[in-house]
Amino acid sequence: EAGVTQSPTHLIKTRGQQATLRCSPISGHTSVYWYQQALGLGLQFLLWYDEGEERNRGNFPPRFSGRQFPNYSSELNVNALELEDSALYLCASSPATGTGALYGYTFGSGTRLTVV
Amino acid sequence: AQSVTQLGSHVSVSEGALVLLRCNYSSSVPPYLFWYVQYPNQGLQLLLKYTTGATLVKGINGFEAEFKKSETSFHLTKPSAHMSDAAEYFCAVSDSAGGTSYGKLTFGQGTILTVHP
Repeated sequence: EAGVTQSPTHLIKTRGQQATLRCSPISGHTSVYWYQQALGLGLQFLLWYDEGEERNRGNFPPRFSGRQFPNYSSELNVNALELEDSALYLCASSPATGTGALYGYTFGSGTRLTVV
Repeated sequence: AQSVTQLGSHVSVSEGALVLLRCNYSSSVPPYLFWYVQYPNQGLQLLLKYTTGATLVKGINGFEAEFKKSETSFHLTKPSAHMSDAAEYFCAVSDSAGGTSYGKLTFGQGTILTVHP
């Protein structure tokens, strides 16, 4: 069984540009979660999508947005990139609505975003 | 709001020695607690979880953790360290209450475990 897959593995962008990160959950999983792991800031909750809808959002500005597609894959968009957006962005999935926070997520290996 | 404090950003042990990684939590509701491990350049892997029931929880790779409500702790232990245990370990608490989830885990700052031969 394939795990959570994220693409690209690495992404380099210039300040002010937009970045798009992609995530495919484990087959059968309907909930997708996004986290930012920035140096010195730890893991910060970004977004939770389930059944195509945004269910919860962390304390991030609106230029962080995303969506979930009918096949449950997800996209994270970061607009107007700033240097401090440089981080590892982790996607996770769980089998049903919100169960990741009850029984644990399965994480992907992440996308390393570097803003120069 | 839930929070987690991991005591010690770095822990160093010898191969074969006891591993003890400390985690204290704050939660206004009965907590769901987790330990994850992250190897270099990889995502996080779930080691073990406490939801309800038995307070001593066994996980993968020989790790276990004990939920102590009176001490608001959930320390991770392993009787004998292996070189392959070297990684960063994260304790996390869920925002869930009464089985209702808002999808969010709050993570501690992480503890880097070094294992010496």
